[in-house]
Amino acid sequence: GDSVTQMEGPVTLSEEAFLTINCTYTATGYPSLFWYVQYPGEGLQLLLKATKADDKGSNKGFEATYRKETTSFHLEKGSVQVSDSAVYFCALTLITGGGNKLTFGTGTQLKVEL
Amino acid sequence: NAGVTQTPKFQVLKTGQSMTLQCAQDMNHEYMSWYRQDPGMGLRLIHYSVGAGITDQGEVPNGYNVSRSTTEDFPLRLLSAAPSQTSVYFCASRLAASSTDTQYFGPGTRLTVL
Repeated sequence: GDSVTQMEGPVTLSEEAFLTINCTYTATGYPSLFWYVQYPGEGLQLLLKATKADDKGSNKGFEATYRKETTSFHLEKGSVQVSDSAVYFCALTLITGGGNKLTFGTGTQLKVEL
Repeated sequence: NAGVTQTPKFQVLKTGQSMTLQCAQDMNHEYMSWYRQDPGMGLRLIHYSVGAGITDQGEVPNGYNVSRSTTEDFPLRLLSAAPSQTSVYFCASRLAASSTDTQYFGPGTRLTVL
């Protein structure tokens, strides 16, 4: 079945450090890919998405490029802030006739320290 | 717009008790879904609905019932609570069932079954 694999956390960085969170996927078709973020005590919110190969999603300084050849969608940010501390989820969805379902990775906790 | 709302925020049940988790959205979204979030397992789909009167099972449906009598509401019923159902529950909605539109999440219900 379809699946998403993320790097284990927690990831602890100093403020202004470079961030990479790895995400790879397995899918039977041609998925759309997402990064969701969950701040402490809150629900998930969409951070960015990409719907076809070589698309780059970006938002709030975060970027991720859809790489079909490596089945990857790694999340990057050039300079993290304390306010970026959260859990990040990579997810995929495939268009089907009966309602597309989001398949999530296990999440990666990011802690940013001063 | 209130977005996706969930009640209650917290709930403690005894084994064998039943309860209903409420979810409502005011965005006229076609697709609604319930997830549970457990440590190290990401989010897993319990049930989903592609429109009023239509529901289907997700990945982990056992022990849960749903109905969708209106577009706005999608309650989740625990018939006889078990400790294995201790989790954080998220409701989500999306404009169209078969699309890659953004999925909006509620703030979650933290359920403890003793």
